[in-house]
Amino acid sequence: NAGVTQTPKFQVLKTGQSMTLQCAQDMNHEYMSWYRQDPGMGLRLIHYSVGAGITDQGEVPNGYNVSRSTTEDFPLRLLSAAPSQTSVYFCASSPGTRYGYTFGSGTRLTVV
Amino acid sequence: GENVEQHPSTLSVQEGDSAVIKCTYSDSASNYFPWYKQELGKRPQLIIDIRSNVGEKKDQRIAVTLNKTAKHFSLHITETQPEDSAVYFCAADVAAGNKLTFGGGTRVLVKP
Repeated sequence: NAGVTQTPKFQVLKTGQSMTLQCAQDMNHEYMSWYRQDPGMGLRLIHYSVGAGITDQGEVPNGYNVSRSTTEDFPLRLLSAAPSQTSVYFCASSPGTRYGYTFGSGTRLTVV
Repeated sequence: GENVEQHPSTLSVQEGDSAVIKCTYSDSASNYFPWYKQELGKRPQLIIDIRSNVGEKKDQRIAVTLNKTAKHFSLHITETQPEDSAVYFCAADVAAGNKLTFGGGTRVLVKP
């Protein structure tokens, strides 16, 4: 049972490039979310999903897309990277309402 | 949307003393309040949570209290130890689903 697996762990992008951050969980959790963490800003919700085929926006969705074609996977796509997207990205999953999230180990992204 | 405020932003305590972190939330429909601990360079990890039908919950040296009328909840750590040094985040759910909004975090330093 690997929990929540995120790849890559580190990434450097040039402004304007696109990429996909991968997230997979093997706990059969229905709920999955993407957060970004900036120094002094806490954790801010980007997008979330309550099941396969269902996604919704969080607090800071601009510049990011998600899809949820399977229960296990929830990739986050950066459409055209900007320096403001330099951050640590965490994927998390939960069995459902009123249960805690399990976080992945994070992806540290730098956009130059 | 939900707004979660967390205080203090930093907290320094002597080993063996108690630490208290307080959070307030804005959405009266919130029903689930988890607390996470994040050590430097690591992922957030759930340490305790409370649901709205409970006023207090304890787990060894940590406890959480909830006042739904006043819309605030607190984390109490007793007999602090150096390994309690970390950043602690509170969160509250949004009633529509298991979407969590996080407070800004409290950096706790336990001095030996």
